[in-house]
Amino acid sequence: AQSVTQPDIHITVSEGASLELRCNYSYGATPYLFWYVQSPGQGLQLLLKYFSGDTLVQGIKGFEAEFKRSQSSFNLRKPSVHWSDAAEYFCAVGSQGNLIFGKGTKLSVKP
Amino acid sequence: DAEITQSPRHKITETGRQVTLACHQTWNHNNMFWYRQDLGHGLRLIHYSYGVQDTNKGEVSDGYSVSRSNTEDLPLTLESAASSQTSVYFCASSRTRNTGELFFGEGSRLTVL
Repeated sequence: AQSVTQPDIHITVSEGASLELRCNYSYGATPYLFWYVQSPGQGLQLLLKYFSGDTLVQGIKGFEAEFKRSQSSFNLRKPSVHWSDAAEYFCAVGSQGNLIFGKGTKLSVKP
Repeated sequence: DAEITQSPRHKITETGRQVTLACHQTWNHNNMFWYRQDLGHGLRLIHYSYGVQDTNKGEVSDGYSVSRSNTEDLPLTLESAASSQTSVYFCASSRTRNTGELFFGEGSRLTVL
């Protein structure tokens, strides 16, 4: 069955610290992979996407993610977190515009 | 600027009533989607459409219907609202079917009493 797992429900990091959010997926074919961010009361905004090619992809707001086929993972990283990064982050997998979303990881940032 | 708008943003209704949530996009995207977001479940696909007169069921379609009479709009109807349908509903659209890059509205919070 197709699925996306985000093992961490809630993560707290200090401002300026590095961040890694985990995402593992199960999908029959080579998927398209996405990370979205949701600020409180808002819709989701695309951070970055992977379709093919270089397995390290750069996104907006200084985020990057690495696709590791052998581990079925697509982890999101940022070298230095800013207070404005506090939000909920969703990993998604799919194709044909039909996406399966993980349950999300809420990021809190300590001053 | 092109955008996707949902209305109403907040609605309270009673069990058994029919409710319609509107979604309008000005990108001229062929593909439109409705998701519901619930704590502990993330986003789950309700219905989607790849063009006018095309509609398809998603993972959690029971109790919901959609119709697509033009490119811009995909209204979501709850035929007989149930308390289990209390949720935040998101509409999204995409330009191409293959890429799956979705543009989301700001959501409609529905409470069924």
